[in-house]
Amino acid sequence: GEDVEQSLFLSVREGDSSVINCTYTDSSSTYLYWYKQEPGAGLQLLTYIFSNMDMKQDQRLTVLLNKKDKHLSLRIADTQTGDSAIYFCAASTSGTYKYIFGTGTRLKVLA
Amino acid sequence: DAGVTQSPTHLIKTRGQQVTLRCSPKSGHDTVSWYQQALGQGPQFIFQYYEEEERQRGNFPDRFSGHQFPNYSSELNVNALLLGDSALYLCASSFTAVGPDTQYFGPGTRLTVL
Repeated sequence: GEDVEQSLFLSVREGDSSVINCTYTDSSSTYLYWYKQEPGAGLQLLTYIFSNMDMKQDQRLTVLLNKKDKHLSLRIADTQTGDSAIYFCAASTSGTYKYIFGTGTRLKVLA
Repeated sequence: DAGVTQSPTHLIKTRGQQVTLRCSPKSGHDTVSWYQQALGQGPQFIFQYYEEEERQRGNFPDRFSGHQFPNYSSELNVNALLLGDSALYLCASSFTAVGPDTQYFGPGTRLTVL
């Protein structure tokens, strides 16, 4: 069935780049999303990519998509302490309306 | 421009009770989805409402029901509460059109069942 997997933890030093990885199983996934969740809060949409693209850049964020391997990554340049949060990858498929979320990657930024 | 709002923020109920959670979508949005997020997990899709009807449902029992009003706001009702229903309930709104129905989330309602 549909599944989205992420590594649980990532720790980086302030100013370094962070790379958060995600794999998904449904090859018919159409759109892939990245959300950020801070403690006690809802999900903030960061960016999304359509499945016919292989890269999307938005300020400090770069999304890379390898459709053949069903692998998605989010790179955060010049990571700041305010980037510490849980990052969720989500997939949606044309013709359905639900998002399938991964379990989230907790990013800790060390000063 | 107000984003997605949810009420209440927190709720404590006991097993067997019923609960109603409310959501107002972002301005210009016509579609509301509900998700359950257990501690340490990603959100799980409960259902989506569009044009006042349930358009798609996830793997949740009939104890979970919903409603959408003409102003696009929505309610999630859960009957016969179980301890396992304790979670953060997230509402997401979107605009149904050609292209991605990008979902924007509210802050959530934290439900604790004792």
